[in-house]
Amino acid sequence: DQQVKQNSPSLSVQEGRISILNCDYTNSMFDYFLWYKKYPAEGPTFLISISSIKDKNEDGRFTVFLNKSAKHLSLHIVPSQPGDSAVYFCAALHFGNEKLTFGTGTRLTIIP
Amino acid sequence: NAGVTQTPKFQVLKTGQSMTLQCAQDMNHEYMSWYRQDPGMGLRLIHYSVGAGITDQGEVPNGYNVSRSTTEDFPLRLLSAAPSQTSVYFCASRAGQENTIYFGEGSWLTVV
Repeated sequence: DQQVKQNSPSLSVQEGRISILNCDYTNSMFDYFLWYKKYPAEGPTFLISISSIKDKNEDGRFTVFLNKSAKHLSLHIVPSQPGDSAVYFCAALHFGNEKLTFGTGTRLTIIP
Repeated sequence: NAGVTQTPKFQVLKTGQSMTLQCAQDMNHEYMSWYRQDPGMGLRLIHYSVGAGITDQGEVPNGYNVSRSTTEDFPLRLLSAAPSQTSVYFCASRAGQENTIYFGEGSWLTVV
């Protein structure tokens, strides 16, 4: 039972354009949603998060949108840069059991 | 990934051997956890701890033991290694008042 889903395993975007990564979830009890970026042979690096009571959070080039009625969130990166090429994981946190539930990841490739 | 340190980074074990993956954090975080990442899957929670002396099982706990004798350290023990435990293991920590989870750089384990 995959509670957090990233249906696009890969995405290619031209440098300077907007990258949109999508994530769907099934559990309404999640308290926070987080996005992590991961390079090969490294641990995930935290990017941005959003509380379940908010619908938008912005940090520099990164914006996360949450649509609770659709159980959907998205990460927007604009403008996209070559250094953004990595695997992006969507994750959901429920404070009650300390479990961070991850999606399967989307590999983003920025084309120069 | 400053603050969460994992050792060893790479390890090869024979089936049936035991070993301990070490994890230490210097941020005085209450919450610590262990995840494993397998191809095509998101990170899955093995065990977690909400403070010294308190541990609990995650999603995939079988074959692993943990203990939390200090706030700083959270070792993961493989009791009798099996090829199915070949994976990348990530330790993580979080402060009680925050939603951001910080990850170590990972430990690559191969069981032959």
